[in-house]
Amino acid sequence: AQSVTQPDARVTVSEGASLQLRCKYSYSGTPYLFWYVQYPRQGLQLLLKYYSGDPVVQGVNGFEAEFSKSNSSFHLRKASVHWSDSAVYFCVLSERNYKYVFGAGTRLKVIA
Amino acid sequence: EAAVTQSPRNKVAVTGGKVTLSCNQTNNHNNMYWYRQDTGHGLRLIHYSYGAGSTEKGDIPDGYKASRPSQENFSLILELATPSQTSVYFCASGSTGGLYEQYFGPGTRLTVL
Repeated sequence: AQSVTQPDARVTVSEGASLQLRCKYSYSGTPYLFWYVQYPRQGLQLLLKYYSGDPVVQGVNGFEAEFSKSNSSFHLRKASVHWSDSAVYFCVLSERNYKYVFGAGTRLKVIA
Repeated sequence: EAAVTQSPRNKVAVTGGKVTLSCNQTNNHNNMYWYRQDTGHGLRLIHYSYGAGSTEKGDIPDGYKASRPSQENFSLILELATPSQTSVYFCASGSTGGLYEQYFGPGTRLTVL
């Protein structure tokens, strides 16, 4: 069965440090993958998406993600985090019938 | 820009009462979705729709009904609300034709006492 696992429920990093949020998926075939961000008391906003092609995709606000078919992973990265990046990040897989499978989310806290 | 709105934004209901959550999208998207968000679960799909007049059961449909009277509007109905339905509910819309992004509303915080 298709699934998305985000192994880190909480991540704390210092402002200016680099960031990696991990995501592993289980899906037969090549998936459509997304990262969304949720700021406090708000809806989800799309950060980036992967459909095919270059395995490194760029998103908004300096975020990027790398797709690896061999590792079944889609990790999110940022070179230098800012305090405003504190939020919950969701890794999401879309099935061909346009239904989403969500990871449980990773809560990122950026400290001074 | 994609626009999905939800009403009400906050709702307090009594056990056994009827609750209707409304969602409107101005994206002209065919697909619409209702999710609930609870700590540790991410978002879980309750009902979805591929177009006006259609509704489909998602992963956790028990205790919920849905209605899609038009392309723009999608409602979630709790006929007999229970405290276990206390949650934050999100509506989303999405296109078809090979585009898989969904656009989310701001959420409705429902408390059932």
